[in-house]
Amino acid sequence: NAGVTQTPKFRILKIGQSMTLQCAQDMNHNYMYWYRQDPGMGLKLIYYSVGAGITDKGEVPNGYNVSRSTTEDFPLRLELAAPSQTSVYFCASSYFPVTDEKLFFGSGTQLSVL
Amino acid sequence: AQKVTQAQTEISVVEKEDVTLDCVYETRDTTYYLFWYKQPPSGELVFLIRRNSFDEQNEISGRYSWNFQKSTSSFNFTITASQVVDSAVYFCALSEAGSGYSTLTFGKGTMLLVSP
Repeated sequence: NAGVTQTPKFRILKIGQSMTLQCAQDMNHNYMYWYRQDPGMGLKLIYYSVGAGITDKGEVPNGYNVSRSTTEDFPLRLELAAPSQTSVYFCASSYFPVTDEKLFFGSGTQLSVL
Repeated sequence: AQKVTQAQTEISVVEKEDVTLDCVYETRDTTYYLFWYKQPPSGELVFLIRRNSFDEQNEISGRYSWNFQKSTSSFNFTITASQVVDSAVYFCALSEAGSGYSTLTFGKGTMLLVSP
């Protein structure tokens, strides 16, 4: 019963490097989300997807890109890492919109950009 | 625009004390949903409750209770007889009709520390 799986759990990047944060869910959920959590700032929505092939920006999309080629996977791409992107990243999913059921969260990816 | 305010950054209590976590929200929509999530030290967020804007009935689940008051735009969370395992960061969140109910806006969270 895997749920939402995020990889890697920890990563250190140098300024300007690129990387992809992986997120996969095995619950056949339509909705998937990427949030970032900065200390004392709560969670902010980066991007979300309501189904394969459909993505939309959240509150803080700058510096990130996403794609949703399958129902299961929703990778988050950082093209030119900056220190401001140091954060904990959470992927989440749900079958229906958030108002109809709870979000299932992954365990997070802690990213440091130095 | 929507906004969720959790004014209490950190609360410390001794085990068995009651504690209330405050949540105040802003929305122009008449239809919206409010949530509480718990983030224990392990990091994963855990769903606690969902409440729609048309249901102002208070809810109780074991030691947890929620007080929803539209007149003051508040959705407060009370833990009765707190336990050390309640130590976590608690987030209040809002989803409104204007977003198609597709997204959640989280407050900054309240860290609850329960000492033995």
